[in-house]
Formats: sequence, structure tokens, C-alpha cells
Amino acid sequence: KQEVTQIPAALSVPEGENLVLNCSFTDSAIYNLQWFRQDPGKGLTSLLLIQSSQREQTSGRLNASLDKSSGRSTLYIAASQPGDSATYLCAVRQGAQKLVFGQGTRLTINP
Amino acid sequence: NAGVTQTPKFQVLKTGQSMTLQCAQDMNHNSMYWYRQDPGMGLRLIYYSASEGTTDKGEVPNGYNVSRLNKREFSLRLESAAPSQTSVYFCASSDWTGANEKLFFGSGTQLSVL
Repeated sequence: KQEVTQIPAALSVPEGENLVLNCSFTDSAIYNLQWFRQDPGKGLTSLLLIQSSQREQTSGRLNASLDKSSGRSTLYIAASQPGDSATYLCAVRQGAQKLVFGQGTRLTINP
Repeated sequence: NAGVTQTPKFQVLKTGQSMTLQCAQDMNHNSMYWYRQDPGMGLRLIYYSASEGTTDKGEVPNGYNVSRLNKREFSLRLESAAPSQTSVYFCASSDWTGANEKLFFGSGTQLSVL
């Protein structure tokens, strides 16, 4: 059974720092991996999607990497801002309808 | 663009009551999903619909039923609510094309069962 783990559960950093969020998964047979952002009381917004054949994807200040062989992905946020404060979730796609989520990392950026 | 719209946003039920959560998407997506989100448990799939007219069970289907009314709408019904169904419910849709698929989520329904 696929298990997705995100550590730490919460992270607090000062504004301007570069930071890395971690996601690990137990079964490397995946179609893709997505990173989502969730603001309090809101739904999830897809940030980046990395296909299984790719190593990384970039969008603005965000960069996500994927190492299937080790079952790990990282989300790098450059020059963090208070507006980046949210919960970040990763999810791996194993089949047409099977998307397994991690429990998320709650990120707080302090001004 | 409205995207994925869920109603209601909040609901309080008594044990044994029934209710239906509504979801509609305007992106012409084939696939729609219902998830529940509980503290420390992440999101878990309740039911999904790969296309109009089809529905299938996900990871935690017990106590729920669904209807894919048409391509736009996918409803979730609790026939006899239980306190264990207290959760935040999310509807999502996607246009599954293989590896390059993205999910779009509604804003959620916070349900409390007393």
C-alpha cells in the first residue's frame, strides 16, 4: 500500500529565507507527483505537477524535484514571503483514480 | 471562471439525519471525486466518477452514496449521518489524460454530526 509522508508537520521561518519541504513515498510505481497549496478554510490549489519521467518542475519562486528511485520529492521555495503561509500537500498518482495524499506541512512565514 | 462549486459551505446534522452535498464543475471535465479531510489523516477518497454515468468506490465509501447526475454535477449523500462522518468534504474534478492530469478542488463543506 502506498504511503506518503511529509515531514515536518509544521515549519516557521522568517521572511526572505529559502526553504525546502519534503515528501516521501513508499512505492515508486507512480504516474506523477503533485504539490498543492491549501489556505485555511479553502480547497487545494495545484502548484506543480511532475511526471514520473521528469526530474523537476519550476513555477516562479517554486521548484519541485522528484527522485522516484529513492521515493522522495522536495518543494523549494525561494525568497519566502508572508503570502506563502499555507499548508502544502504532496500527492502521488498511482492509477487513473488513485491519488494518495500526504498529511501536509503547515508553513508560516514571519514578517 | 467558477471552477468547482460546492454547497453548502457549512452544515450541522444530528445523528441519523440525512443530507446531500452538491458539487458542480464548469470545466467540461470527465472525472469527478469526493474526498474527506480529517486532522492527521490527509485527504481520503470516498467515491469517484470517471465519466458521466459511472461511479466507483474509493478508500472510505461506507456510509455514503453518490450520483453523477450529468457531466457537470456529482452529489454525495449521507443517508444516516454518524459522528464519525464529521469532517471537511471536498469535491474535485479533472480531465484524466494520463500522466499530465491536474485536479481542481472546490472550497469544501465543513460538516459536523452531533
